[in-house]
Formats: sequence, structure tokens, C-alpha cells
Amino acid sequence: QITLKESGPTLVKPTQTLTLTCTFSGFSLSTSGVGVGWIRQPPGKALEWLALIYWDDDKRYSPSLKSRLTFTKDTSKNQVVLTMTNMDPVDTGTYYCAHRRGATDAFDYWGQGTLVTVSS
Amino acid sequence: QSVLTQPPSVSGAPGQRVTISCTGSSSNIGAGYDVHWYQQLPGTAPKLLIYVKSNRPSGVPDRFSGSKSGTSASLAITGLQAEDEADYYCQSYDSSLSAVVFGGGTKLTVL
Repeated sequence: QITLKESGPTLVKPTQTLTLTCTFSGFSLSTSGVGVGWIRQPPGKALEWLALIYWDDDKRYSPSLKSRLTFTKDTSKNQVVLTMTNMDPVDTGTYYCAHRRGATDAFDYWGQGTLVTVSS
Repeated sequence: QSVLTQPPSVSGAPGQRVTISCTGSSSNIGAGYDVHWYQQLPGTAPKLLIYVKSNRPSGVPDRFSGSKSGTSASLAITGLQAEDEADYYCQSYDSSLSAVVFGGGTKLTVL
């Protein structure tokens, strides 16, 4: 049974760096074909893909946010960590981590999401 | 403005069939990249409905189906039920952006 759970601050100030952790179970990020992604959703708006990390440590980032994002994995802890620098109020939203279905870019298991508010 | 265009809303009566379109371009759907569909009930995380054209994960009813033609894809829901009222998103990959892309979402209302 695959589960994922996001954790991190609920409130950050503008210009600060956001660090989100996704703790998962039911799969290993060292297994060939496995990937984990981050997707966010501003209140009342559409989903936006942020980043994807693969079992071989290959990383892909949204071009519009690439300069602000860093994605790392800790296979021994079954965790991935996303950092986003220079936070702005427009970055307010629910941040989800999700398991990539092998050999596709579909996300078949999602965390419950964590709401991050950017405000001074 | 999303790379994949979906109608903001669709509606249908219980038992009817509805379709939700997802229009892309030659750098995403038209280039042959897979299209996936998600259902998001209010206040919950998205749920994978259809992956790689028309494959359904375990537990998804066969009332849901996907298709693709040219630069567009569609999600069809038959035998509409009240529980189908949700937001629906399409997803693909765009080679010119080198990015996973989502549609703007469609709100389905069951009348």
C-alpha cells in the first residue's frame, strides 16, 4: 500500500525559503522506474506541476520556477525534500507530493497536501 | 493561462453522458505524449482516473473512458451520478517547455 504525506511550515514570510518534506511508504525510490513529483494548487485555481525526481536521481523542474527550486531525496529515510526560495504571496497554495506511475508521467498516489500561506 | 485548454464547466443530468475536452498543440498531445485524467472532489487531493489514453487504475468504474485524436483528448463519463460532481484535470508533457503540464480544470455539475 503506497502512502505519501507532506510536512512543512503552514506560514512563511515573503522572501523566505520554503522547505517541504514528503515522507512515503510502500515503495522505494531506489527501485528502477520510480519517481516522485511535487504539484501545487493555489486556492480556487488549477494544478501546477513543480518538479519530479527519479530513482536514478535525475531531476526535472518547471521551467518557470527552476531557478527557485531544489529537489533532493533520502532513500534511507523514504523522504524527498523540496526547497523553494524567495517565496511570494502568489506562491500561496496547497502543495502535494505524488508517486509517479512507472514508465508514465501519471501520478497514481497523492499525499493529502499541505497548505502553505505566504504572508508577512 | 494553461498549455492545455479545458472548458471551465460542463453539466449533465443523472444518467446522461458528458465529455470534457482537453486541447493541446503539436508540442504536447499532438506530438504523441500520453494524456492522463484526474478527478478532484472538493477539499481532497486529485485522484488518477485515466492514464495513457484510456487505462483505468483499479477501482475506477468503466463509466470513465479517455480518448485522443490529433492535438486533443477527451474524457467521457457515462451514466452520470451525483458523486461525479467534481473538478477534472487533464495532464500531458510538453516538449517545447520540457515540462509536465496540466489543463486549467473543468468543473462538472450534476443537475
